[in-house]
Amino acid sequence: QVQLQQWGAGLLKPSETLSLTCTVYGGSLSGYFWSWIRQPPGKGLEWIGEIKFSGGANYNPSLKSRVTISLDTPKNQFSLKLTSVSAADTAVYYCARGRSALDYWGQGTLVTVSA
Amino acid sequence: QSVLTQPPSVSGTPGQRVTISCSGSSSNIGANAGTWYQQLPGTAPKLLIYSNDERASGVPDRFSGSKSGTSASLAISGLQSEDEAEYYCAAWDDSLNGFYVFGSGTKVTVL
Repeated sequence: QVQLQQWGAGLLKPSETLSLTCTVYGGSLSGYFWSWIRQPPGKGLEWIGEIKFSGGANYNPSLKSRVTISLDTPKNQFSLKLTSVSAADTAVYYCARGRSALDYWGQGTLVTVSA
Repeated sequence: QSVLTQPPSVSGTPGQRVTISCSGSSSNIGANAGTWYQQLPGTAPKLLIYSNDERASGVPDRFSGSKSGTSASLAISGLQSEDEAEYYCAAWDDSLNGFYVFGSGTKVTVL
């Protein structure tokens, strides 16, 4: 059974860099796309971006200038970095497997940006 | 503002059939498959329907999906109390370099 476990800092100050990592258990990174999604408190879902198992990444145009998604194949992990955060980036961040159908999700990490 | 438009809320009594609409455009639902997710309070979304009408593993056949033109729909027949949740449609959008878009979400309430 595939499981995604994510972790990272939950409290940031404005202008800092958000950094989250997702480890895949019970399966391999190979053959899949791996995505990040976020959900502001009380609001809907927003796709952040994806990375292909071979390493090519694609980002939401609204976040593209600040986002980097990367793979660490030996550790079976993928990561998200979002620079220059502001209060508008406060959200629960999820990692997930897939592209047009996200079939496995991490547990979510609440990231709060506050001075 | 979401690219895909859903009604904010839908309600029904146990046993009823309810439907949720998802209105998109030629660059997303019109060109690509629709997907549906269910999100229970405080939990991660769960894949319900993919490729417009395929149920994900373990999803009861009470849930069904369809697509027509630039719109997708999710139907829940034989509504049960555990179906009370937020439902999101989603699709790949071919504009710009391509990106994944979610609907605005629909809260299903079981009366």
